[in-house]
Amino acid sequence: AQSVTQLDSHVSVSEGTPVLLRCNYSSSYSPSLFWYVQHPNKGLQLLLKYTSAATLVKGINGFEAEFKKSETSFHLTKPSAHMSDAAEYFCVVSGRMDSSYKLIFGSGTRLLVRP
Amino acid sequence: GAVVSQHPSWVICKSGTSVKIECRSLDFQATTMFWYRQFPKQSLMLMATSNEGSKATYEQGVEKDKFLINHASLTLSTLTVTSAHPEDSSFYICSARAISSYEQYFGPGTRLTVT
Repeated sequence: AQSVTQLDSHVSVSEGTPVLLRCNYSSSYSPSLFWYVQHPNKGLQLLLKYTSAATLVKGINGFEAEFKKSETSFHLTKPSAHMSDAAEYFCVVSGRMDSSYKLIFGSGTRLLVRP
Repeated sequence: GAVVSQHPSWVICKSGTSVKIECRSLDFQATTMFWYRQFPKQSLMLMATSNEGSKATYEQGVEKDKFLINHASLTLSTLTVTSAHPEDSSFYICSARAISSYEQYFGPGTRLTVT
């Protein structure tokens, strides 16, 4: 079975400092992994995805994530946080369940950016 | 491209009434659409998967008679919450999987408040 664990429910950083949002996955085969961002009362926006190509994935708005099979991790990073990055972030794995592929969401990490 | 719309964006209804939420893929065709529910400060939970022209598949614990799903065309799926109760108040998000790419795109969500 596939699952994702987001290790931090809240992360608080100062504007201009690096961001690290942690995600570990469990999958019985090579997974597809995604990071989505959700601003308050808004829908989901895809930041980036990993689909077995390059292990370092670059996404939008300066975010990137590195797939580490040995650590079963897919942490999201950004060198310098902006106030506009404050939002909820979801790590997602694509898994096969009941003969169909479904997206399985982590519990989310709320990123707070202090001025 | 790859835009998914939902209508309405928010709705308030009285307890006991029914509410219909539409999900449309505006510029692509989707054989499969997904409905999620998100309670405040929580992650997205998959409610059901609908395939065009066939019955929806509901996740465990989701009442199929309460949450009626119709996927009448390759661009439209509807979710009807029947006999709504205050505990059905939530943020409902749909997503559509494109036929051409198998990418999954999310709608902006519908906030339902049952009074």
